[in-house]
Amino acid sequence: SQKIEQNSEALNIQEGKTATLTCNYTNYSPAYLQWYRQDPGRGPVFLLLIRENEKEKRKERLKVTFDTTLKQSLFHITASQPADSATYLCALERAGGFKTIFGAGTRLFVKA
Amino acid sequence: EAEVAQSPRYKITEKSQAVAFWCDPISGHATLYWYRQILGQGPELLVQFQDESVVDDSQLPKDRFSAERLKGVDSTLKIQPAELGDSAMYLCASSLARGGDTDTQYFGPGTRLTVL
Repeated sequence: SQKIEQNSEALNIQEGKTATLTCNYTNYSPAYLQWYRQDPGRGPVFLLLIRENEKEKRKERLKVTFDTTLKQSLFHITASQPADSATYLCALERAGGFKTIFGAGTRLFVKA
Repeated sequence: EAEVAQSPRYKITEKSQAVAFWCDPISGHATLYWYRQILGQGPELLVQFQDESVVDDSQLPKDRFSAERLKGVDSTLKIQPAELGDSAMYLCASSLARGGDTDTQYFGPGTRLTVL
């Protein structure tokens, strides 16, 4: 079955720096890979979706890359701010409406 | 901006009791999802509806859990009887997706269940 690995250790960075989070998966390559943000006690919020035929996607200070050879996605937040502190979840989906599988997430702390 | 509504936000119950959670998706969204999220883990899909039909309930413990979406709009998830291991956040999400397409999932605030 598909497994998703995200850094279980929290990532601590200084304000203004670029945060890079990693999502590795095993088994099949997903058709879609998504990143969500989740604040404590709240539901996840969608950030970006990247398709298997796309290498990179950007949205404001966010950038996602997708390497199907390495079976890895990288999620970057440039010019990070304390308000970016949250847990970031990686989620995979196969083509044809199969269920979405979520990783456990990586906690990001941005210090002022 | 339209949001997914869930109630209650918090529920404390004793084991062997019955509990029910309610979800009202964003208007017009065909697909509705119920997820369970244990602290420190990612959401795990319990059941997925497209309109009123179940399209995936492979991870739903059917001996104690049930879900329905009778008119293809709002949905109820029930647990009877509740067990200690059911303590978790129960999240509802909805999307426009239909017929195998993918689309953004919009999550509600969740119901935090504690079983004593």
